[in-house]
Amino acid sequence: QKEVEQDPGPLSVPEGAIVSLNCTYSNSAFQYFMWYRQYSRKGPELLMYTYSSGNKEDGRFTAQVDKSSKYISLFIRDSQPSDSATYLCAMSPNAGGTSYGKLTFGQGTILTVHP
Amino acid sequence: DAGVIQSPRHEVTEMGQEVTLRCKPISGHDYLFWYRQTMMRGLELLIYFNNNVPIDDSGMPEDRFSAKMPNASFSTLKIQPSEPRDSAVYFCASRSQGSPLHFGNGTRLTVT
Repeated sequence: QKEVEQDPGPLSVPEGAIVSLNCTYSNSAFQYFMWYRQYSRKGPELLMYTYSSGNKEDGRFTAQVDKSSKYISLFIRDSQPSDSATYLCAMSPNAGGTSYGKLTFGQGTILTVHP
Repeated sequence: DAGVIQSPRHEVTEMGQEVTLRCKPISGHDYLFWYRQTMMRGLELLIYFNNNVPIDDSGMPEDRFSAKMPNASFSTLKIQPSEPRDSAVYFCASRSQGSPLHFGNGTRLTVT
């Protein structure tokens, strides 16, 4: 079993829809949770990050972490064609500064938002 | 800021050949990471450096893989000899203490 599980999709939604992307994990040591967006032929770019449980909102994006269920989500409101990309969840344990880049990634979910 | 720069963008080589991938991290970043991305396995950490010193190479798949960081502005990942199963996109990433990870745009390696 992988430490981080993410449904690869693909997921196709109409413009304006609310998108929900999810990951589950098994390692209870994970404390930092991130979402990366990766456009085709590009490197992943950090979209949002949260520490421990709770919600974080940034514009049309909301990240949720439920540590009791080992479940994290990313919601995209009013989705746009420019949101079409692969979304990867990533996690790391709270073991000091060196751990922050030693991320464990999900497989990534391919999202297409069609006009 | 030019971001993390990787070269070449694409590399096609024959099985058995040596392959060298290059990375220039963002200036001032003291951590450098090499990741590999495939459809089957996703993004996997191969090795990372702190202040040019390798800290964790447990993700390096075999002795055929080696990585060096001779100075703060340059790192290489070498595969010798290359095999078809090494075909993947290889990403370099860097960060400084307390900052998020910044990825380059990767090197797409095809070994025939």
